[in-house]
Amino acid sequence: AQKVTQAQTEISVVEKEDVTLDCVYETRDTTYYLFWYKQPPSGELVFLIRRNSFDEQNEISGRYSWNFQKSTSSFNFTITASQVVDSAVYFCALSGWNNNDMRFGAGTRLTVKP
Amino acid sequence: GAVVSQHPSRVICKSGTSVKIECRSLDFQATTMFWYRQFPKQSLMLMATSNEGSKATYEQGVEKDKFLINHASLTLSTLTVTSAHPEDSSFYICSARDSGQTYEQYFGPGTRLTVT
Repeated sequence: AQKVTQAQTEISVVEKEDVTLDCVYETRDTTYYLFWYKQPPSGELVFLIRRNSFDEQNEISGRYSWNFQKSTSSFNFTITASQVVDSAVYFCALSGWNNNDMRFGAGTRLTVKP
Repeated sequence: GAVVSQHPSRVICKSGTSVKIECRSLDFQATTMFWYRQFPKQSLMLMATSNEGSKATYEQGVEKDKFLINHASLTLSTLTVTSAHPEDSSFYICSARDSGQTYEQYFGPGTRLTVT
């Protein structure tokens, strides 16, 4: 069975602080995909990144960066110099090789205060 | 980029009535679509997988007679909540998986259902 754990329910930071959102996953598949989505108050999911299990390179996109470590089954997300607009719920998700059966973590609610 | 639409975005209905939610892939074909439900301050839970031209596959604990899914074309799947009750009030999100090689899954904007 596939499982995603986001242990941090809520995080509150002050603007310009760096913040890391943790994600730990479980799967028996050798080929799988990991995702991060942002869900602002409007409810619409915003895709942030997709990573396949064979690509352990870290990724940086502007203020966002992701650290994928298969050895610890983790796919952590860091926001550098956080901004108020980063306030949202962030979900980590896992799916199989054909992108079926996507399972979401419980989500982490990030609040960035001015 | 690929776009998935949902209609309606919000619906309020009375207890006992049925509500239909549409999910459309606007610029790609999707043989497979997924329906998720999200209760307030909770995560997205997969309800069912909808396959074009065949019966949907429901997750454990989801009543297939209550949540009717029809995937009649490569761009449209519908979810009908039959005899809705207040406990069915939730945010329903669909996603469509590109039938091409990428298998990318694209999410709709969601439908907020309130049953009074």
